[in-house]
Amino acid sequence: QQKVQQSPESLSVPEGGMASLNCTSSDRNFQYFWWYRQHSGEGPKALMSIFSDGDKKEGRFTAHLNKASLHVSLHIRDSQPSDSALYFCAVSDGNNNNAPRFGAGTKLSVKP
Amino acid sequence: SVLLYQKPNRDICQSGTSLKIQCVADSQVVSMFWYQQFQEQSLMLMATANEGSEATYESGFTKDKFPISRPNLTFSTLTVNNARPGDSSIYFCSSRPYYAEQFFGPGTRLTVL
Repeated sequence: QQKVQQSPESLSVPEGGMASLNCTSSDRNFQYFWWYRQHSGEGPKALMSIFSDGDKKEGRFTAHLNKASLHVSLHIRDSQPSDSALYFCAVSDGNNNNAPRFGAGTKLSVKP
Repeated sequence: SVLLYQKPNRDICQSGTSLKIQCVADSQVVSMFWYQQFQEQSLMLMATANEGSEATYESGFTKDKFPISRPNLTFSTLTVNNARPGDSSIYFCSSRPYYAEQFFGPGTRLTVL
């Protein structure tokens, strides 16, 4: 199932710092990327999607996609303790009836 | 968007027993997906369930062990048969409105003794 590679496995940043997460799809059929965040005890919730080359910014979150390499990164600036969570990259094939594939996740800890 | 509710929130059962997890959506959805998640690990897609048809299972999951029903466009049930300690995990139902983000239920935490 694992067509999606995420790194690092875990990451610790100080409050106010920048967190950078990475994701690569190994299947060119899966090239529509989403980032999800899961706080402890909850279900995952979507943060943002990115389907085109370049950057997409939503508040403190910026995603960057390189379609040639099927690599996407997520950058969180001014990290807050409330950003501490599991972050999943999910990739879909564009068929709405097919579930996206999730990466193994990155555990982010933001230290006050 | 779609809201998904799951029941029960958590369950504890003995090895060899079966249990049902229900998922209800607040609006009609074409596909429902079931995921398994071990403690703070990845979400493993178990199966896709469409109304009125047999669920499609992913490698490693079978309908004998995890039968899924989808009687209508707002409801699905996942059964865990012959539960074993290795089945102890969190089970999520999920759905995705037309080309939108994927929505998840709150999860059912299962402990098998």
